[in-house]
Amino acid sequence: DQQVKQNSPSLSVQEGRISILNCDYTNSMFDYFLWYKKYPAEGPTFLISISSIKDKNEDGRFTVFLNKSAKHLSLHIVPSQPGDSAVYFCAARTHGSSNTGKLIFGQGTTLQVKP
Amino acid sequence: DAGITQSPRHKVTETGTPVTLRCHQTENHRYMYWYRQDPGHGLRLIHYSYGVKDTDKGEVSDGYSVSRSKTEDFLLTLESATSSQTSVYFCAISGAGPAQFFGPGTRLTVL
Repeated sequence: DQQVKQNSPSLSVQEGRISILNCDYTNSMFDYFLWYKKYPAEGPTFLISISSIKDKNEDGRFTVFLNKSAKHLSLHIVPSQPGDSAVYFCAARTHGSSNTGKLIFGQGTTLQVKP
Repeated sequence: DAGITQSPRHKVTETGTPVTLRCHQTENHRYMYWYRQDPGHGLRLIHYSYGVKDTDKGEVSDGYSVSRSKTEDFLLTLESATSSQTSVYFCAISGAGPAQFFGPGTRLTVL
Protein backbone atom coordinates (compact mmCIF):
# COMPACT_ATOMS: atom_id res chain seq x y z
CA ASP A 1 0.00 0.00 0.00
CA GLN A 2 1.66 3.19 -1.19
CA GLN A 3 1.50 5.85 1.52
CA VAL A 4 2.80 8.68 -0.71
CA LYS A 5 1.51 9.03 -4.27
CA GLN A 6 2.30 11.27 -7.18
CA ASN A 7 -0.46 10.51 -9.65
CA SER A 8 0.91 12.51 -12.58
CA PRO A 9 3.94 10.81 -14.18
CA SER A 10 4.73 13.86 -16.29
CA LEU A 11 4.03 17.56 -16.69
CA SER A 12 4.94 19.97 -19.48
CA VAL A 13 4.84 23.76 -19.09
CA GLN A 14 6.06 26.79 -21.00
CA GLU A 15 9.03 28.78 -19.74
CA GLY A 16 7.90 31.66 -17.49
CA ARG A 17 4.63 30.01 -16.52
CA ILE A 18 3.78 28.29 -13.24
CA SER A 19 4.52 24.60 -12.65
CA ILE A 20 2.35 22.82 -10.10
CA LEU A 21 3.38 19.36 -8.92
CA ASN A 22 1.02 17.40 -6.71
CA CYS A 23 1.37 14.73 -4.06
CA ASP A 24 -1.14 12.81 -1.90
CA TYR A 25 -0.51 10.87 1.28
CA THR A 26 -2.46 8.56 3.54
CA ASN A 27 -0.67 8.59 6.92
CA SER A 28 -1.62 11.40 9.31
CA MET A 29 1.47 10.71 11.45
CA PHE A 30 3.98 12.16 8.98
CA ASP A 31 5.66 15.18 10.61
CA TYR A 32 7.51 16.69 7.65
CA PHE A 33 7.04 16.72 3.90
CA LEU A 34 9.88 17.34 1.48
CA TRP A 35 10.45 17.88 -2.22
CA TYR A 36 13.50 16.68 -4.12
CA LYS A 37 14.67 17.33 -7.67
CA LYS A 38 16.63 14.75 -9.64
CA TYR A 39 18.59 15.11 -12.84
CA PRO A 40 19.60 12.02 -14.86
CA ALA A 41 22.67 10.19 -13.53
CA GLU A 42 22.74 12.31 -10.35
CA GLY A 43 21.47 11.87 -6.82
CA PRO A 44 18.28 13.60 -5.65
CA THR A 45 18.76 17.17 -4.46
CA PHE A 46 16.75 18.57 -1.55
CA LEU A 47 14.57 21.54 -2.56
CA ILE A 48 12.21 22.54 0.19
CA SER A 49 10.36 21.11 3.17
CA ILE A 50 7.31 21.91 5.25
CA SER A 51 6.35 20.94 8.78
CA SER A 52 2.99 19.26 9.28
CA ILE A 53 1.95 22.16 11.50
CA LYS A 54 2.38 24.70 8.70
CA ASP A 55 0.35 25.20 5.54
CA LYS A 56 2.86 27.09 3.39
CA ASN A 57 6.60 27.47 3.01
CA GLU A 58 8.38 29.61 0.45
CA ASP A 59 11.96 29.68 -0.82
CA GLY A 60 12.60 31.89 -3.80
CA ARG A 61 10.74 30.54 -6.82
CA PHE A 62 9.57 27.46 -4.90
CA THR A 63 6.51 27.33 -2.65
CA VAL A 64 5.08 24.25 -0.99
CA PHE A 65 1.46 24.15 0.17
CA LEU A 66 0.08 21.61 2.61
CA ASN A 67 -3.63 20.80 2.92
CA LYS A 68 -3.88 18.46 5.90
CA SER A 69 -7.61 17.88 5.66
CA ALA A 70 -7.20 16.65 2.08
CA LYS A 71 -3.85 14.94 2.83
CA HIS A 72 -2.44 16.76 -0.17
CA LEU A 73 0.65 18.84 -0.85
CA SER A 74 1.80 20.73 -3.89
CA LEU A 75 4.97 22.38 -5.12
CA HIS A 76 4.64 25.60 -7.11
CA ILE A 77 7.53 26.83 -9.26
CA VAL A 78 7.17 30.42 -10.47
CA PRO A 79 8.44 31.34 -12.99
CA SER A 80 9.44 28.02 -14.51
CA GLN A 81 12.82 27.85 -16.25
CA PRO A 82 14.25 25.26 -18.68
CA GLY A 83 16.81 24.30 -16.02
CA ASP A 84 13.91 23.16 -13.81
CA SER A 85 13.33 20.22 -16.17
CA ALA A 86 13.92 17.17 -13.99
CA VAL A 87 12.14 14.45 -12.01
CA TYR A 88 10.52 15.76 -8.83
CA PHE A 89 9.90 13.50 -5.85
CA CYS A 90 7.77 14.29 -2.85
CA ALA A 91 8.63 12.55 0.39
CA ALA A 92 7.10 12.26 3.85
CA ARG A 93 8.94 11.68 7.08
CA THR A 94 8.10 9.04 9.63
CA HIS A 95 10.23 7.57 12.41
CA GLY A 96 12.05 4.31 13.02
CA SER A 97 14.52 2.91 15.54
CA SER A 98 15.99 5.44 17.97
CA ASN A 99 13.60 8.04 16.50
CA THR A 100 15.50 7.99 13.21
CA GLY A 101 13.70 10.00 10.53
CA LYS A 102 12.72 7.77 7.60
CA LEU A 103 11.49 9.14 4.29
CA ILE A 104 8.78 7.55 2.17
CA PHE A 105 8.90 8.72 -1.43
CA GLY A 106 6.32 9.12 -4.15
CA GLN A 107 6.92 7.67 -7.61
CA GLY A 108 8.11 10.95 -9.08
CA THR A 109 6.83 13.42 -11.70
CA THR A 110 8.91 14.35 -14.73
CA LEU A 111 8.70 18.08 -15.39
CA GLN A 112 9.58 19.47 -18.81
CA VAL A 113 9.87 23.23 -19.18
CA LYS A 114 9.79 24.28 -22.81
CA PRO A 115 11.68 27.40 -23.94
CA ASP B 1 26.88 19.83 -1.53
CA ALA B 2 27.05 17.32 1.28
CA GLY B 3 30.37 15.47 1.39
CA ILE B 4 29.10 12.07 0.39
CA THR B 5 30.61 9.65 -2.11
CA GLN B 6 29.64 6.21 -3.34
CA SER B 7 31.79 3.48 -4.84
CA PRO B 8 31.77 1.94 -7.30
CA ARG B 9 29.65 4.21 -9.49
CA HIS B 10 28.87 1.40 -11.94
CA LYS B 11 29.05 -2.36 -11.56
CA VAL B 12 28.06 -5.33 -13.67
CA THR B 13 28.02 -8.71 -11.94
CA GLU B 14 26.59 -12.17 -12.38
CA THR B 15 23.74 -13.86 -10.55
CA GLY B 16 24.87 -15.53 -7.34
CA THR B 17 27.97 -13.43 -6.73
CA PRO B 18 28.40 -11.26 -3.62
CA VAL B 19 28.49 -7.48 -4.10
CA THR B 20 29.42 -4.71 -1.66
CA LEU B 21 28.63 -1.06 -2.21
CA ARG B 22 30.34 1.62 -0.15
CA CYS B 23 29.07 4.97 1.07
CA HIS B 24 31.51 7.45 2.59
CA GLN B 25 30.66 10.78 4.24
CA THR B 26 32.82 13.62 5.52
CA GLU B 27 30.00 15.44 7.35
CA ASN B 28 30.14 13.43 10.59
CA HIS B 29 26.38 12.91 10.40
CA ARG B 30 24.83 10.32 12.70
CA TYR B 31 22.23 8.93 10.31
CA MET B 32 22.92 7.07 7.07
CA TYR B 33 20.56 5.33 4.65
CA TRP B 34 20.55 3.05 1.63
CA TYR B 35 17.80 3.36 -1.01
CA ARG B 36 17.13 1.78 -4.34
CA GLN B 37 15.43 3.56 -7.22
CA ASP B 38 13.34 1.66 -9.76
CA PRO B 39 10.94 2.93 -12.42
CA GLY B 40 7.44 3.41 -11.05
CA HIS B 41 8.57 3.04 -7.43
CA GLY B 42 10.43 6.20 -6.58
CA LEU B 43 13.07 5.59 -3.92
CA ARG B 44 12.60 2.78 -1.42
CA LEU B 45 14.49 2.42 1.84
CA ILE B 46 16.60 -0.74 2.16
CA HIS B 47 18.41 -0.27 5.49
CA TYR B 48 19.41 2.61 7.70
CA SER B 49 21.85 3.35 10.51
CA TYR B 50 21.45 5.58 13.55
CA GLY B 51 24.99 5.18 14.82
CA VAL B 52 28.11 3.03 14.66
CA LYS B 53 27.01 -0.62 14.75
CA ASP B 54 23.33 0.49 15.04
CA THR B 55 21.29 -0.47 11.98
CA ASP B 56 17.73 -1.45 11.14
CA LYS B 57 15.68 -2.68 8.20
CA GLY B 58 13.74 -0.56 5.77
CA GLU B 59 10.82 -1.57 3.56
CA VAL B 60 12.79 -3.64 1.01
CA SER B 61 15.56 -5.27 3.09
CA ASP B 62 15.27 -8.90 1.91
CA GLY B 63 18.51 -10.04 0.26
CA TYR B 64 20.55 -7.15 1.66
CA SER B 65 22.71 -6.64 4.72
CA VAL B 66 24.57 -3.58 6.01
CA SER B 67 27.43 -2.73 8.31
CA ARG B 68 28.67 0.45 9.90
CA SER B 69 31.95 0.12 11.79
CA LYS B 70 32.88 3.81 11.52
CA THR B 71 30.80 6.98 11.50
CA GLU B 72 31.91 7.84 7.98
CA ASP B 73 31.30 4.50 6.23
CA PHE B 74 28.11 2.55 5.55
CA LEU B 75 28.38 -0.64 3.51
CA LEU B 76 25.57 -2.40 1.65
CA THR B 77 26.08 -6.07 0.80
CA LEU B 78 24.15 -8.29 -1.56
CA GLU B 79 25.14 -11.75 -0.33
CA SER B 80 24.07 -13.49 -3.54
CA ALA B 81 22.99 -11.07 -6.22
CA THR B 82 19.81 -11.72 -8.22
CA SER B 83 18.49 -10.06 -11.37
CA SER B 84 15.73 -8.39 -9.32
CA GLN B 85 18.46 -6.42 -7.55
CA THR B 86 19.44 -4.66 -10.75
CA SER B 87 18.81 -1.06 -9.79
CA VAL B 88 20.32 2.31 -8.97
CA TYR B 89 21.40 2.50 -5.35
CA PHE B 90 21.60 5.76 -3.42
CA CYS B 91 23.17 6.46 -0.09
CA ALA B 92 21.90 9.37 2.01
CA ILE B 93 22.93 11.10 5.22
CA SER B 94 21.12 13.36 7.64
CA GLY B 95 21.82 15.35 10.74
CA ALA B 96 19.38 17.01 13.08
CA GLY B 97 16.95 18.39 10.47
CA PRO B 98 14.34 16.54 8.40
CA ALA B 99 16.24 16.63 5.09
CA GLN B 100 18.40 13.80 3.85
CA PHE B 101 21.27 14.48 1.45
CA PHE B 102 22.04 12.01 -1.27
CA GLY B 103 25.16 10.67 -2.90
CA PRO B 104 25.62 10.37 -6.67
CA GLY B 105 24.38 6.77 -6.88
CA THR B 106 25.67 3.37 -8.00
CA ARG B 107 24.20 1.70 -11.05
CA LEU B 108 24.23 -2.08 -10.51
CA THR B 109 23.42 -4.59 -13.21
CA VAL B 110 23.03 -8.27 -12.30
CA LEU B 111 23.18 -10.56 -15.34
